[in-house]
Amino acid sequence: DQQVKQNSPSLSVQEGRISILNCDYTNSMFDYFLWYKKYPAEGPTFLISISSIKDKNEDGRFTVFLNKSAKHLSLHIVPSQPGDSAVYFCAASAGLTGGTSYGKLTFGQGTILTVHP
Amino acid sequence: NAGVMQNPRHLVRRRGQEARLRCSPMKGHSHVYWYRQLPEEGLKFMVYLQKENIIDESGMPKERFSAEFPKEGPSILRIQQVVRGDSAAYFCASSPDRGYEQYFGPGTRLTVT
Repeated sequence: DQQVKQNSPSLSVQEGRISILNCDYTNSMFDYFLWYKKYPAEGPTFLISISSIKDKNEDGRFTVFLNKSAKHLSLHIVPSQPGDSAVYFCAASAGLTGGTSYGKLTFGQGTILTVHP
Repeated sequence: NAGVMQNPRHLVRRRGQEARLRCSPMKGHSHVYWYRQLPEEGLKFMVYLQKENIIDESGMPKERFSAEFPKEGPSILRIQQVVRGDSAAYFCASSPDRGYEQYFGPGTRLTVT
């Protein structure tokens, strides 16, 4: 039962262009969403998060958009840089009403982003 | 400000042996989470602990796996009688409170031969 899905296994973009990574979820109890970046043989690095009370959050080159009605979120990276090449994971958490689920993160399968110079 | 520490980084065990994975959370963080990543898959939640308490162990196999986070010292994930299917990367994360972003350690790569 894949509650968080990243349907694109990989994405290739040119340096300087926009990278758009997508994520869909099915559990309506999720109300907090996060994006992580992961390099091989390292742990995930937190990038940006968004609460369900917002539809957009921006931090430097990274912007996350949330569409609750569509149960969809996306991460935009502008401009993309070669150092952004990594695996990107979308994750979701249920709020207080999620009972014991509150706190744990449910991850998507990841999208491999390659930024070409 | 040290991040989440995990040791060992690599662990090789023969089938039937025990594996002990350690995690020291970030300073000021009292919430610890363990996740497992199998090859070609995303991270899967295993267990969530607060000091001396297991809050949620819904993702942990019922047999052979146990976790603790004592009042003093690191959190320990223990796998008894390891099998080849336990080979994976095990990540620990910590947060200052429930519901905040979690910060991950570098992981322990367990190989069962």
